[in-house]
Amino acid sequence: DIVMTQSPDSLAVSLGERATINCKSSQSVFHSLNNKNYLAWYQHKVGQPPELLIYWASTRESGVPDRFSGSGSGTDFTLTINSLQAEDVAVYYCQQHYGTPPTFGGGTKVEIK
Amino acid sequence: EVQLVESGGDLVQPGGSLRLSCAGSGFIFSTFWMNWVRQTPGRGLEWVASIKQDGSETSYVDSVKGRFTISRDNAKNSLSLQMNNLRADDTAVYYCVREGIVVAAFDYWGQGTLVTVSS
Repeated sequence: DIVMTQSPDSLAVSLGERATINCKSSQSVFHSLNNKNYLAWYQHKVGQPPELLIYWASTRESGVPDRFSGSGSGTDFTLTINSLQAEDVAVYYCQQHYGTPPTFGGGTKVEIK
Repeated sequence: EVQLVESGGDLVQPGGSLRLSCAGSGFIFSTFWMNWVRQTPGRGLEWVASIKQDGSETSYVDSVKGRFTISRDNAKNSLSLQMNNLRADDTAVYYCVREGIVVAAFDYWGQGTLVTVSS
């Protein structure tokens, strides 16, 4: 199985500042047939189901604010939240869809400082 | 509007059985892979099982193989998860999840149903 490792486990960021979350996969999730990274990011707020934020490592899902951005390739990926808003408080997960089983990172809890 | 509504979660004793159901609406159910994903406070999100559009292929996480069975009824736009020989570590919120056609990601999630395995 592909192991997804996120860091940090949690972070506290002031309103309006930037939050950066890292995700590392135990093997590459880049598919050479279509030149895409099979890496997604989800936001999970308390009492709600997870929501898809980013797919193909850097493509924002429809309706996701542009302060959310994804980057990286191969085994190393980053989710950046620019200008953190109060409604961004959540746990964020990366997930690979390259191999079976699809696997998630352990999550990063983002709070307001 | 895409909707996925789970039902069937309950308190069950270790070794017991439970059947979860998911009703899909707002999309052509038969054209999507469907999945069950669970969430526990200690282990975060864990994919449990998936089923192909026509039900001809299924996959499971190792920890549930031989105990859980995923199935679907496209005529009724429904997804099911039969869970047998339940263990304490199966305790979780179970989500019915749609897998995107164009994107390799889980694009819609239900609200979840709680399964508690305890004596």
